[in-house]
Amino acid sequence: EDKVVQSPLSLVVHEGDTVTLNCSYEVTNFRSLLWYKQEKKAPTFLFMLTSSGIEKKSGRLSSILDKKELFSILNITATQTGDSAIYLCGTGAGSYQLTFGKGTKLSVIP
Amino acid sequence: KAGVTQTPRYLIKTRGQQVTLSCSPISGHRSVSWYQQTPGQGLQFLFEYFSETQRNKGNFPGRFSGRQFSNSRSEMNVSTLELGDSALYLCASSLAGSSPYGYTFGSGTRLTVV
Repeated sequence: EDKVVQSPLSLVVHEGDTVTLNCSYEVTNFRSLLWYKQEKKAPTFLFMLTSSGIEKKSGRLSSILDKKELFSILNITATQTGDSAIYLCGTGAGSYQLTFGKGTKLSVIP
Repeated sequence: KAGVTQTPRYLIKTRGQQVTLSCSPISGHRSVSWYQQTPGQGLQFLFEYFSETQRNKGNFPGRFSGRQFSNSRSEMNVSTLELGDSALYLCASSLAGSSPYGYTFGSGTRLTVV
């Protein structure tokens, strides 16, 4: 059975801090790893990673995938209160579904 | 370009009743997936449809069912509701439904069973 584990489950930081969110996976026929940000209801797409060792960046957010060690990290630098959300990691395989971890709830306090 | 539209946004039902939720995907997207999100379990896959065919189903009881229409709109139905069915039900659409294509989620339907 495919499995995705995110850590930590929750995190409280101060504005300006840098945070690293972790996602490890055990997936048969792995094809991609996706990160989403969920603030209220609809998860919004952040990154999709398919190749190992290639960092994807978008502003203060970046992510990298290690296919040998089966994990990914999501980094957020200079955090802002608007970064407060649940961050979801999901993996895509060949079975037309995404398997998600339970998410990391990030709270950024002023 | 319109996003994924889910209706209704909120729903309150009584145990034993049934409910139907609707999802309209992004224009041109032929794959629709459904997920149940609860605080304890996170997002769990329910089923995926492509061109009116269910291609995969998650580990949920038979009370959960779905279908897709020729215009790619999808509905899911839950019969004989239980308190534990209270959750946020999210629909996601994609071009083809197979990785590595990304999924776009709707805002969900918040179902409360009392």
